[in-house]
Amino acid sequence: QVQLQQWGAGLLKPSETLSLTCAVYGGSFSGYFWSWIRQPPGKGLEWIGEINHSGSTNYNPSLKSRVPISVDTSKNHFSLRLSSVTAADTAVYYCARGIEGLGNRIFDVWGRGTTVTVSS
Amino acid sequence: SSELTQDPAVSVALGQTVRITCQGDSLRSYYASWYQQKPGQAPIFVISGKNNRPSGIPDRFSGSSSGNTASLTITGAQAEDEADYYCNSRDSSGNHYVFGTGTKVTVL
Repeated sequence: QVQLQQWGAGLLKPSETLSLTCAVYGGSFSGYFWSWIRQPPGKGLEWIGEINHSGSTNYNPSLKSRVPISVDTSKNHFSLRLSSVTAADTAVYYCARGIEGLGNRIFDVWGRGTTVTVSS
Repeated sequence: SSELTQDPAVSVALGQTVRITCQGDSLRSYYASWYQQKPGQAPIFVISGKNNRPSGIPDRFSGSSSGNTASLTITGAQAEDEADYYCNSRDSSGNHYVFGTGTKVTVL
């Protein structure tokens, strides 16, 4: 059974760079899309972007300039970096596996989430 | 603001049926998927399209779509179905993905 384990710094100061990594255990890394999704406190889900095993990326246009996603296929890891964070970036960040389904992207496996707080 | 709009909250009596809707222009072209999220937990995938459920999701959950509206129906709601539910689909460009605003389901 596929599991996603994620980690990264949980407390940042404004203007710093958020860095999170997600490891994929128990399943294939290729053939899927690997996404980052966030949820501000008390609010809904926001798709940040995705990468596949060959490094092709797709980003939310509202975050594209700040958010490279990278992949390390040798470790079955993928990572998110979000630069110049502000309080608005405070959220729980989830990594998720995406599969193609009925013309949409289905996020069928999720990490447990990492709480990131931006505060001076 | 999200391109997919959901009612903020609905309630249902135990054992009754509730329908949660998701509206957006992209739903005229793309199917929606639905996710359940309980407090303090990560979302879980519930259903995509009409009946594409992962293993472990009961068949009391069903999906449908008409025009710009996708729906998730819970037939015979149980106490454990109380949660937030989010739809997701492609955005209006078709190139990216968006989630709905979310619906809090309360089972009375």
